Amino acid sequence: GDSVTQMEGPVTLSEEAFLTINCTYTATGYPSLFWYVQYPGEGLQLLLKATKADDKGSNKGFEATYRKETTSFHLEKGSVQVSDSAVYFCALSQGAQKLVFGQGTRLTINP
Amino acid sequence: GAVVSQHPSWVICKSGTSVKIECRSLDFQATTMFWYRQFPKQSLMLMATSNEGSKATYEQGVEKDKFLINHASLTLSTLTVTSAHPEDSSFYICSARLQATSREQYFGPGTRLTVT
Repeated sequence: GDSVTQMEGPVTLSEEAFLTINCTYTATGYPSLFWYVQYPGEGLQLLLKATKADDKGSNKGFEATYRKETTSFHLEKGSVQVSDSAVYFCALSQGAQKLVFGQGTRLTINP
Repeated sequence: GAVVSQHPSWVICKSGTSVKIECRSLDFQATTMFWYRQFPKQSLMLMATSNEGSKATYEQGVEKDKFLINHASLTLSTLTVTSAHPEDSSFYICSARLQATSREQYFGPGTRLTVT
């Protein structure tokens, strides 16, 4: 079945550092890809998405490009802030089917 | 737009009692809602898919008689944990799909259930 694999955390960075959180997927067909963020004690918020190969999703300084050749959707941000500390989930869905989540990556940004 | 609420945000109940969690889409109609369970520092586990006016579809391993789901309207789905036990303590999150053909889900803030 479909699956999503994220880099293991936790990830700890200093403020203004460059961030990469790796995400690869296994799926048949052409899934849509998502990054969700979960702040402490809260539900998930959609951060960005891409629906077809070579699409780039972006929001709040975060970017991810749908790479079909490498089946990847890595999350990047050029300069992180303390407020970016959260758990990040990569996910995919096929058509209007259920979301399949990666295991989540906990990010901590130190001032 | 596309706001989903949950009530209560947290609840403590005694073993053997039942507790109901509500999930509402505030500014849109949701033909499909999803219920997830999240253990500490872990990913979300889909429990069931709830379609308005029909029976919920449960994932393998989820007890449908223990986790009762009702989706009586296009803006409300409820999850009732029956005869709760301490191992049912968890963070329960619902999500709603904006349209039947949409690939995107909008998540509620979650409900923390503690069974004593």
